[in-house]
Amino acid sequence: GNSVTQMEGPVTLSEEAFLTINCTYTATGYPSLFWYVQYPGEGLQLLLKATKADDKGSNKGFEATYRKETTSFHLEKGSVQVSDSAVYFCALSGITDKLIFGTGTRLQVFP
Amino acid sequence: DAGVIQSPRHEVTEMGQEVTLRCKPISGHNSLFWYRQTMMRGLELLIYFNNNVPIDDSGMPEDRFSAKMPNASFSTLKIQPSEPRDSAVYFCASSSFRTNYGYTFGSGTRLTVV
Repeated sequence: GNSVTQMEGPVTLSEEAFLTINCTYTATGYPSLFWYVQYPGEGLQLLLKATKADDKGSNKGFEATYRKETTSFHLEKGSVQVSDSAVYFCALSGITDKLIFGTGTRLQVFP
Repeated sequence: DAGVIQSPRHEVTEMGQEVTLRCKPISGHNSLFWYRQTMMRGLELLIYFNNNVPIDDSGMPEDRFSAKMPNASFSTLKIQPSEPRDSAVYFCASSSFRTNYGYTFGSGTRLTVV
């Protein structure tokens, strides 16, 4: 069945450091891929998405490229800020309306 | 649009009491999802509806949990009787084909059962 695997957290970085959070998936067909972010005390918010191979999703300085050959959708940001501290979830959708979420990766950014 | 609206934001109840959580999805969204989030188990899908019909309730932990969606603009998740292990944050989310299956989440209800 479909599944998503994310790197274990927490990821701890200093402000302005480069961020990579790894996400790989297993799916049949051609899923859409998503990154969601959850700030403390809030619900999950859609950060970016990609709907087909080689698409790049981007938002707020974050990027992720849909790599079908490596079944990956790694999240990157060139220079993180303290305000980026949150939990990040990778997710995929298949032919149904149900999203499959990863376990989440906590990012902590220190000044 | 006001987004997905959940109520209450916080609920503290005694063990054995009935708890009802409420959700108003985004207008025009035809799918609605109930999730539970805890530190130990992470994010768990409890049940989801499509066009007000329950499609998959395999995540509902036991018969104490029930969910309804009487119309396109309202859903409830009920726990009766509640137990301390039900303490969690419960999220509602909605989506439509137009969002290419992306979800919009509500702010959640933090439930504490004492």
